[in-house]
Amino acid sequence: DTAVSQTPKYLVTQMGNDKSIKCEQNLGHDTMYWYKQDSKKFLKIMFSYNNKELIINETVPNRFSPKSPDKAHLNLHINSLELGDSAVYFCASSQKGTDTQYFGPGTRLTVL
Amino acid sequence: GESVGLHLPTLSVQEGDNSIINCAYSNSASDYFIWYKQESGKGPQFIIDIRSNMDKRQGQRVTVLLNKTVKHLSLQIAATQPGDSAVYFCAEIRSGGYQKVTFGTGTKLQVIP
Repeated sequence: DTAVSQTPKYLVTQMGNDKSIKCEQNLGHDTMYWYKQDSKKFLKIMFSYNNKELIINETVPNRFSPKSPDKAHLNLHINSLELGDSAVYFCASSQKGTDTQYFGPGTRLTVL
Repeated sequence: GESVGLHLPTLSVQEGDNSIINCAYSNSASDYFIWYKQESGKGPQFIIDIRSNMDKRQGQRVTVLLNKTVKHLSLQIAATQPGDSAVYFCAEIRSGGYQKVTFGTGTKLQVIP
């Protein structure tokens, strides 16, 4: 009965590689988000999608490309990984018109 | 730019005591605030919220106070328990269209048994 799930939970990879993180929500929400949390626990929004359309795109390198195949899924693809990409990435969802976001368990990405 | 910040990065509290976590925000246009709790290895979890037309809201063992004059938000936890140990974030939301949440820097609450 997981509400927001992410895979994988841990991802260790070499610099320069391309990787994807998947997110799925079974709450019936129409808006999904990706956040990056750095080592100091600071949470910063990266992207927001509503009904498969990009709504918010913060200043994120274009190596990061979100993809929403349907409104229950928002995947994050990262090209040419860099050391500074190491962080915990959180997916979240909410229903437009409401304010509470539900977060996934996070994916810890380590770039070596 | 606008920011939401916390005064204390780490707060240690004896079990059973009350905890107060503070947050300062700078955008007076924010009309909604949320406190999130993040336990180790997990995502942030909604605790309590408050709208800008309110100055106090109570939940179960938690109370949020909003002082718009000084742009200050606080989370009070009564009878703090070991399970309250976590990082707490305040977040501000500006309405109008799609929700965009700006998180504060977080305060780590350590409960001493």
